[in-house]
Amino acid sequence: QTVVTQEPSFSVSPGGTVTLTCGLSSGSVSTSYYPSWYQQTPGQAPRTLIYSTNSRSSGVPDRFSGSILGNKAALTITGAQADDESDYFCVLYLGSGISMFGGGTKLTVL
Amino acid sequence: QLQLQESGPGLVKPSETLSLTCTVSGDSIGSSKYHGGWIRQPPGKGLEWIGSIYYSGTIYHNPSLKSRVTMSLDTSKNQFSLKLSSVTAADTAVYYCAREFLYDSSGYHHYFDYWGQGTLVTVSS
Repeated sequence: QTVVTQEPSFSVSPGGTVTLTCGLSSGSVSTSYYPSWYQQTPGQAPRTLIYSTNSRSSGVPDRFSGSILGNKAALTITGAQADDESDYFCVLYLGSGISMFGGGTKLTVL
Repeated sequence: QLQLQESGPGLVKPSETLSLTCTVSGDSIGSSKYHGGWIRQPPGKGLEWIGSIYYSGTIYHNPSLKSRVTMSLDTSKNQFSLKLSSVTAADTAVYYCAREFLYDSSGYHHYFDYWGQGTLVTVSS
């Protein structure tokens, strides 16, 4: 059973930089998994941030960026702001029409 | 602007079937570029992909739910639907429909670009 892994929680200081990662329980994440990233605040639907590893969705500030770091997908927030405090989820496309969400990372800005 | 809206009962009894419909406005769902997807989120927990349906009617399931999931598409109404059978309290969640964008001229993408607001479905007698 494939599991998509994310850090359960992370904290960053205002103005700081943080990198969240998205891995696989077995194997490496590559661009072929089309990693995408979503931001969710309590009571709201997810907001799409990044798709296809490093493409920003419309209206997303350029302080959000995506990449492959080592064997994981990564979301980097540069110059963190208070309203970046949210849950962040990654999705990997496993092929054959199947997608899988990571467990999510709760980001605290303090 | 594309919009998706979930509709259906907010309360379902254990062992019965949960039924939800997603109505899409602003674009046609009858395109080879998209899937119609269902995602759920139990209270206080993470997101789980349930499945997606292609414009041809082909269905892709989360293997952990496959035997209980049925999906359908009505292109004349620009809607797609989800049925989840034999529900238990563990199926209590906010259910989201979303458009899964598959490809454009720049290549394949496979991501959820538009989301409905979500609807809470509680399983309880």
